[in-house]
Amino acid sequence: AQSVAQPEDQVNVAEGNPLTVKCTYSVSGNPYLFWYVQYPNRGLQFLLKYITGDNLVKGSYGFEAEFNKSQTSFHLKKPSALVSDSALYFCAVRDPDTGRRALTFGSGTRLQVQP
Amino acid sequence: DADVTQTPRNRITKTGKRIMLECSQTKGHDRMYWYRQDPGLGLRLIYYSFDVKDINKGEISDGYSVSRQAQAKFSLSLESAIPNQTALYFCATSGFMDTGELFFGEGSRLTVL
Repeated sequence: AQSVAQPEDQVNVAEGNPLTVKCTYSVSGNPYLFWYVQYPNRGLQFLLKYITGDNLVKGSYGFEAEFNKSQTSFHLKKPSALVSDSALYFCAVRDPDTGRRALTFGSGTRLQVQP
Repeated sequence: DADVTQTPRNRITKTGKRIMLECSQTKGHDRMYWYRQDPGLGLRLIYYSFDVKDINKGEISDGYSVSRQAQAKFSLSLESAIPNQTALYFCATSGFMDTGELFFGEGSRLTVL
């Protein structure tokens, strides 16, 4: 089975400070990993993905994520947070080796960036 | 215009009523999905379809049914709505490649009284 955990319901950070939103996953094979963002009253938007290759993946709006196979983690990071980054962030995983053909999402982490 | 359009955006209904949520897309994608969002639970997969003749159950398909009327249209039905089906429902699409990202609609907020 494939699963993903986001251990923090909410992350608070001051504008200009670095931010990290945590994600750990569980799959039987090599994972495909994704981050999505949801702004209020909107659908989810794709931020970035890891399929293979470099462990550090860069995405939209200055976000990046680091794939760590030994720790089964895929934490989302940004060097300098903006107030406009405040939103709900979802990590998602797919295990291509199981034949499961859709993404499994985490429970979400609300990021609050204070001015 | 949005690439993935959901109707209605908001609906209040009563227990036992039949409800249909509709999704249409202009992205030309073969793959379509219905997810349900509940606070603290994230998104859970209800049904997905990889083409018009391919319909698959997700994690929480009980109490729901779907219809893929055309490549561009994927409808979700609640035959007899119950209060614990109150949630935000999202339709999403993806392209042919398994590594492709999902494109989401704006969501349909359903309240069952």
